[in-house]
Amino acid sequence: KNEVEQSPQNLTAQEGEFITINCSYSVGISALHWLQQHPGGGIVSLFMLSSGKKKHGRLIATINIQEKHSSLHITASHPRDSAVYICAVSGNQFYFGTGTSLTVIP
Amino acid sequence: GAGVSQSPSNKVTEKGKDVELRCDPISGHTALYWYRQSLGQGLEFLIYFQGNSAPDKSGLPSDRFSAERTGGSVSTLTIQRTQQEDSAVYLCASSWGDFTDTQYFGPGTRLTVL
Repeated sequence: KNEVEQSPQNLTAQEGEFITINCSYSVGISALHWLQQHPGGGIVSLFMLSSGKKKHGRLIATINIQEKHSSLHITASHPRDSAVYICAVSGNQFYFGTGTSLTVIP
Repeated sequence: GAGVSQSPSNKVTEKGKDVELRCDPISGHTALYWYRQSLGQGLEFLIYFQGNSAPDKSGLPSDRFSAERTGGSVSTLTIQRTQQEDSAVYLCASSWGDFTDTQYFGPGTRLTVL
């Protein structure tokens, strides 16, 4: 069983498009994390949420605790946003989604 | 300041040999985490330290895996009698507090078991 489900698995977008990546989880959590991994690169933490909404530049993350669901939005997408986006939840340990591979075409 | 560092960056070993992977967290970070990312697979949680203590070791894949942390700083992940399925990138991260804090990831150690 997967404690964390992400969708879509793969996503291709034209530059400038609005992008949404979804994450659902089935365990009790203390926080939800959105991570970014560039090809051949390291992992960067984008957001850590326990409620509501956070915004950083063109990225917005929301979480609905009651529905056990989170979304990551990218506005005005750019080719440099191409990466794998990973949803993770933390309770007494970490559970990871399988990631969403995003490709933004110029 | 310096980020999380890991060594070696690459390790090739023969099946059956022991390996040690090292993680230097950000100075002052009390929490340290080990993860594994196998080729084409997602991230897998291995173990978490708060200070020098590991409250939950259930994420370690087998008893061939062990980890320790000394002085609330450097951590080593040891894999004994390596198997081919141990081949993966082993990632370390650290944070100020616990699971609710932002984690900072190291570049990883790519382990290849021949």
